Amino acid sequence: AQTVTQSQPEMSVQEAETVTLSCTYDTSESDYYLFWYKQPPSRQMILVIRQEAYKQQNATENRFSVNFQKAAKSFSLKISDSQLGDAAMYFCAYRSERFVLRGYWGIGNLYGSGSRLTFGEGTQLTVNP
Amino acid sequence: DVKVTQSSRYLVKRTGEKVFLECVQDMDHENMFWYRQDPGLGLRLIYFSYDVKMKEKGDIPEGYSVSREKKERFSLILESASTNQTSMYLCASSLIPPERATSTDTQYFGPGTRLTVL
Repeated sequence: AQTVTQSQPEMSVQEAETVTLSCTYDTSESDYYLFWYKQPPSRQMILVIRQEAYKQQNATENRFSVNFQKAAKSFSLKISDSQLGDAAMYFCAYRSERFVLRGYWGIGNLYGSGSRLTFGEGTQLTVNP
Repeated sequence: DVKVTQSSRYLVKRTGEKVFLECVQDMDHENMFWYRQDPGLGLRLIYFSYDVKMKEKGDIPEGYSVSREKKERFSLILESASTNQTSMYLCASSLIPPERATSTDTQYFGPGTRLTVL
């Protein structure tokens, strides 16, 4: 079974500065996906960024970028130019890249496995003005 | 925009009561999920469903059951609520692409239901 660990329960950053949130995972699989989700006080989970394990290039989305180290099983999130609206709980998540086909409708274990997410414990980010 | 709605934002129930948490998505997604979120534990998968009337146990299914009679609706049922089921419950849905479950299989979350069992 896969596990995801976020070792920083809380982090803080000054507005306009850069912060890095850590995530490590454990898996025996070679193909998978990694995600960072953000949960602001409204509790609405929002996808921040995703990374395919077969891609060597680190994903970026505007001010958000990742440092994906496959051998080390590390997937950190860097937030540049932090804004007050970035304050939230951040979750790292893992998804197995199980090969599924529509023809396998009804074979539940095979079909359903590919979409499951395994989450880390979360890191509460505070942004100070 | 994908919309996932949950029937209640806050719910207070008594021990032993039967509790229904409802989730509805409007994007014709095949997959639907129920998670519970607890401080220091992140989100843990309770059950998921990949088709109408189909369900799979997640990591912590004990004390819960689910129902998916229609594609857009996925219900979580606590047959006899207990205090250790006090938690935040999050529903999510995702679309299976035609042939491979690629990274476009993003999970979209509802706003959550904070359940308190007294």
